[in-house]
Amino acid sequence: KNEVEQSPQNLTAQEGEFITINCSYSVGISALHWLQQHPGGGIVSLFMLSSGKKKHGRLIATINIQEKHSSLHITASHPRDSAVYICAVMVGGSRLTFGEGTQLTVNP
Amino acid sequence: DAGVIQSPRHEVTEMGQEVTLRCKPISGHDYLFWYRQTMMRGLELLIYFNNNVPIDDSGMPEDRFSAKMPNASFSTLKIQPSEPRDSAVYFCASSQRVLGSPLHFGNGTRLTVT
Repeated sequence: KNEVEQSPQNLTAQEGEFITINCSYSVGISALHWLQQHPGGGIVSLFMLSSGKKKHGRLIATINIQEKHSSLHITASHPRDSAVYICAVMVGGSRLTFGEGTQLTVNP
Repeated sequence: DAGVIQSPRHEVTEMGQEVTLRCKPISGHDYLFWYRQTMMRGLELLIYFNNNVPIDDSGMPEDRFSAKMPNASFSTLKIQPSEPRDSAVYFCASSQRVLGSPLHFGNGTRLTVT
């Protein structure tokens, strides 16, 4: 079993829909990252969380440390949100362990 | 700031050749990370540096891989000799601090070993 599990693996939505991507982990962590990988391959850091909730524009990330679970929400989704979203947990020091990613496709 | 700069963007080489990947982190960032991404294994940490000193190289696959950071503005990842299974996208990333500071990724180097 991977230390970091994401669901779903693939997600197709219509423009405007509310989207949720989930991340569960099995180890104690010091922080959790949400990353976005564009179709061209570049990776952008969206959030870094150690507790609670963060919001940036239409993106919201939450984490529940007790339940070892985090969610990434996208409100009013748009085709430009189409990308791979990757959850990564920081375990001991600076080592990141990555989930397999969720491929999101938003159709117009 | 131009962000994390990696070169080359693409590298195609023959098995057995030496390959050197380069990275310039964002100025003022104390941490530099090398990651590898493959279809089979996703993203994996290879090695990271703090203030130019290698801290954790447990992700380096074998002795054919080596990384250096001679100064705060430059790092290299070298594979010698290269093998087809090394084909992957190699990312460099930097950050100011371990916690509370986002990771900034370079655009990656796509390596193909034939």
